[in-house]
Amino acid sequence: QKEVEQDPGPLSVPEGAIVSLNCTYSNSAFQYFMWYRQYSRKGPELLMYTYSSGNKEDGRFTAQVDKSSKYISLFIRDSQPSDSATYLCAMSVDTGNQFYFGTGTSLTVIP
Amino acid sequence: GAVVSQHPSWVICKSGTSVKIECRSLDFQATTMFWYRQFPKQSLMLMATSNEGSKATYEQGVEKDKFLINHASLTLSTLTVTSAHPEDSSFYICSARVRDRIQETQYFGPGTRLLVL
Repeated sequence: QKEVEQDPGPLSVPEGAIVSLNCTYSNSAFQYFMWYRQYSRKGPELLMYTYSSGNKEDGRFTAQVDKSSKYISLFIRDSQPSDSATYLCAMSVDTGNQFYFGTGTSLTVIP
Repeated sequence: GAVVSQHPSWVICKSGTSVKIECRSLDFQATTMFWYRQFPKQSLMLMATSNEGSKATYEQGVEKDKFLINHASLTLSTLTVTSAHPEDSSFYICSARVRDRIQETQYFGPGTRLLVL
């Protein structure tokens, strides 16, 4: 079983839709959770960073962590064509430890 | 956010040659950098952890004699693919660990696309 599972998609939505991206994980020791956005042929860009459980909001993006279910989500409101990219979740046990990445979900927002 | 650069952004080389990729932290010092490779439609695969002033730590299955890593300063780590072969063609991405009062995370470079003919 992989440490982190992420549906690769592809996911296609119309402009303005709410997008929900998810990851599940098996290691209950994970405490640090991140979402990265990666455009084609570019390096990943940090979007959201969350420690432990709860919600975090930044503009149109909301990250949720449910440690009891070992499930994290990224919501994108009012999606834009510029949001079209691959979204990677990542997590680690503690500071200084290895990051574990999901396989990424490919998102296309159609104008 | 912190800025990480990579050079070159892409390279084409003949089989058997060696290729050096540079990873620089532009506006901060990074004691730890990471090297990943990514195949099409797949996630990042950690190759090695590079610590300034010490030997790199390689992940299982990664040949340390083939992928030479040198972290000579707090702002520069290099990955040299020695005697490259077509199966080494991939997207190589470095990242730098950034730690402040609030969080610790990794900032990624733009990646280097390597094509070995």
